[in-house]
Amino acid sequence: GQQLNQSPQSMFIQEGEDVSMNCTSSSIFNTWLWYKQDPGEGPVLLIALYKAGELTSNGRLTAQFGITRKDSFLNISASIPSDVGIYFCAGQPTRSGGYQKVTFGIGTKLQVIP
Amino acid sequence: EAQVTQNPRYLITVTGKKLTVTCSQNMNHEYMSWYRQDPGLGLRQIYYSMNVEVTDKGDVPEGYKVSRKEKRNFPLILESPSPNQTSLYFCASSAGTGVSYEQYFGPGTRLTVT
Repeated sequence: GQQLNQSPQSMFIQEGEDVSMNCTSSSIFNTWLWYKQDPGEGPVLLIALYKAGELTSNGRLTAQFGITRKDSFLNISASIPSDVGIYFCAGQPTRSGGYQKVTFGIGTKLQVIP
Repeated sequence: EAQVTQNPRYLITVTGKKLTVTCSQNMNHEYMSWYRQDPGLGLRQIYYSMNVEVTDKGDVPEGYKVSRKEKRNFPLILESPSPNQTSLYFCASSAGTGVSYEQYFGPGTRLTVT
């Protein structure tokens, strides 16, 4: 099936620092999604991207749909302790007829040091 | 409140004892899906359903069954659980596959099979 490479797999940062993570695909994607999973909870959608080159913000979070349609980036500015969690990218490949399921990356575990 | 509910949240069982994990959504979503989450492997899709009486296999369907008799419910059935099915399970739903791949996740069910 589809492969998504998400990096880094884990990171420790100091409170107040900015964070960047990315996801790359072996093929073109039609949709990119970013989710956050808090400890003990289910993933929650942060940002959805539907157009190549699209840049979308949600508070301190900014995500971009790569121009090649094979990658996406998530940036978190001025991190705070509640940013701790696992961040998943997810993508839906270019539709070529019928249902195209969403594939998830393995996640980036973020820890923020106060 | 729009939500996806799962029951039970925690379950410890023995090998071979049939079990069902229920999933219900109150958003009138057409699409529902089951995932398992394992360390280092991210979220892997088990089964999905595009509508009532329409289900299909995801990436890791072996050992699982599902049914979709009503739009709101999508139970996951383990006929003969084995220790390799010890995992964290998530149910998810979304409005449809043609327009939105934005999924809403339940809180998770942590299953241990001894």
